[in-house]
Amino acid sequence: GAGVSQSPSNKVTEKGKDVELRCDPISGHTALYWYRQRLGQGLEFLIYFQGNSAPDKSGLPSDRFSAERTGESVSTLTIQRTQQEDSAVYLCASSLVDLTFNEQFFGPGTRLTVL
Amino acid sequence: AQSVAQPEDQVNVAEGNPLTVKCTYSVSGNPYLFWYVQYPNRGLQFLLKYITGDNLVKGSYGFEAEFNKSQTSFHLKKPSALVSDSALYFCAVREPNRDDKIIFGKGTRLHILP
Repeated sequence: GAGVSQSPSNKVTEKGKDVELRCDPISGHTALYWYRQRLGQGLEFLIYFQGNSAPDKSGLPSDRFSAERTGESVSTLTIQRTQQEDSAVYLCASSLVDLTFNEQFFGPGTRLTVL
Repeated sequence: AQSVAQPEDQVNVAEGNPLTVKCTYSVSGNPYLFWYVQYPNRGLQFLLKYITGDNLVKGSYGFEAEFNKSQTSFHLKKPSALVSDSALYFCAVREPNRDDKIIFGKGTRLHILP
């Protein structure tokens, strides 16, 4: 079966432009996470979707960042008016939340470079 | 809120020696704990998890981790390190009976010296 996919794999944009990153989770996974990983740094939590509950947006660094998820499928992370400090790899993960709590499966990431 | 700490940015170990990568956590109640590995130019891969039961958890690639409730730790270990174990290791924690959000530590870079 297919894993978590993300597109594009690489995105180069100019400062001030908007970008949209896409994540396709594993089918049937109700939980979806977005993380940011700056070069040489750890994972920074951004946002979390679980089923039809309101998303946990506590990790979004500014109001330029937003994310949506359609039901329990595709999610898009949008960054408006990009800044150079937004340059990072953006990782998406999904998991099947049940009583045994399965682990997260990560996508390959989108490498964003803001010039 | 739950949190996880990896006190070492980098760990250097000679090939063949035992290795330990440290992780401590803070949650209310009994935690769910995870270790992930990120090899160079590759995505994160699940290594092992602790949910309940035996405090010593065995995972992929010969790794194991010991859950210590009194010390709130979940250190990753391997009896004999390989050069191919060189990677970035992340500890993660989920607080049960909450909203299922998982928080990652900042990562520890493991260098195995030949």
